Amino acid sequence: QVQLQESGPGLVKPSQTLSLTCTVSGGFISSGDYYWSWIRQPAGKGLEWIGRIYTSGSTKYNPSLKSRVTISVDTSKNQFSLKLSYVTAADTAVYYCAREEDILTGYPPINWFDPWGQGTLVTVSS
Amino acid sequence: SSELTQDPAVSVALGQTVRITCQGDSLRSYYASWYQQKPGQAPVLVIYGKNNRPSGIPDRFSGSSSGNTASLTITGAQAEDEADYYCNSRDSSGNRSFGGGTKLTVL
Repeated sequence: QVQLQESGPGLVKPSQTLSLTCTVSGGFISSGDYYWSWIRQPAGKGLEWIGRIYTSGSTKYNPSLKSRVTISVDTSKNQFSLKLSYVTAADTAVYYCAREEDILTGYPPINWFDPWGQGTLVTVSS
Repeated sequence: SSELTQDPAVSVALGQTVRITCQGDSLRSYYASWYQQKPGQAPVLVIYGKNNRPSGIPDRFSGSSSGNTASLTITGAQAEDEADYYCNSRDSSGNRSFGGGTKLTVL
């Protein structure tokens, strides 16, 4: 079964760029009709969708973060990555990667996130 | 992104039935998916589509939808169901959003 694992620095300075990688195991990132997503959760708060990428490279970002977010994929390494620029303390959160399935053939369309990585805490502080 | 509204907290007596709701205009057009999150753990998918459960999710979990409201029902709540629950949906632009979450307490 497919498993996802986030990795990257746990501490980032304000105004710098947060960079995380999600490694997919148990299956090929390019097989199947899936989207690969990033979701974050500040301590004690709810989930926020950051964005997603298809293995073709097509991306979709949360409009509130779009100007600062870049998601990329490396199929040769079975990984996808998140870069969030100009971070502030408000970007401190647990960051999750997840696989999204998006079924458009029926009506209405159906989408869901499964599985998720275990999450990684990123703290923005000087 | 569309806005999804959930009650912050709900409680249920052990073995009773509880409904957790999610409201939003996008739910008139799209299904919600539901996630269970226990402290210190990643969210887990419990319901998607009209009323689909992933493998391993007990059949006491069910989903429904009416108008602008999606519901997650737990029939015969167990102590292990105590968790935060989040709904997720999409809008017409393809953006995704989550509800604010509902903390379920099993008494």
